Amino acid sequence: GQNIDQPTEMTATEGAIVQINCTYQTSGFNGLFWYQQHAGEAPTFLSYNVLDGLEEKGRFSSFLSRSKGYSYLLLKELQMKDSASYLCAGGYNFNKFYFGSGTKLNVKP
Amino acid sequence: DTEVTQTPKHLVMGMTNKKSLKCEQHMGHRAMYWYKQKAKKPPELMFVYSYEKLSINESVPSRFSPECPNSSLLNLHLHALQPEDSALYLCASSQEKGTKNEQFFGPGTRLTVL
Repeated sequence: GQNIDQPTEMTATEGAIVQINCTYQTSGFNGLFWYQQHAGEAPTFLSYNVLDGLEEKGRFSSFLSRSKGYSYLLLKELQMKDSASYLCAGGYNFNKFYFGSGTKLNVKP
Repeated sequence: DTEVTQTPKHLVMGMTNKKSLKCEQHMGHRAMYWYKQKAKKPPELMFVYSYEKLSINESVPSRFSPECPNSSLLNLHLHALQPEDSALYLCASSQEKGTKNEQFFGPGTRLTVL
């Protein structure tokens, strides 16, 4: 729902930086969440953006541009444990959440 | 206590069985959610409860019946399910209804319908 698009899969090297992009439909949009999900586990919260700009939290940063319907998650100093799926999720109207299909990140040595 | 718990972790049931999934949180959150997640797909919202009242039903078939006995508990009653209902069922909670609130997810119940 809400045309939340993100790449299916990405590969990066340990210690590197990777950027995972997400685009979304702007009509009725409230805010943008990023979640990490390891295989077979529940999603865990990474970040939430409601205003334009960059939010930094340790090795993870998230950016939002409301006018462009665009967000990205930036992961620095990649570690092997960062191999997981990263879900972009949009909050719409008052109570509706829609997840993107997720980006599977493979971190290689 | 900052976690959402779900029981059982795994459930196998036949198409004629009746079973229930349970979810519990003690963070004082007033909104609780059920999601369904198929393999390699994102979670799909099923139901939202706000202050123990059902506020959203995303056109879910009646063989799934949610119940919120109190502010800490959320159940999902299952009856006459189909094999295609096999999935990971995730419960989540947030401080309040509304899309500005982080959702905390439980570990999920992996359901197999034979």
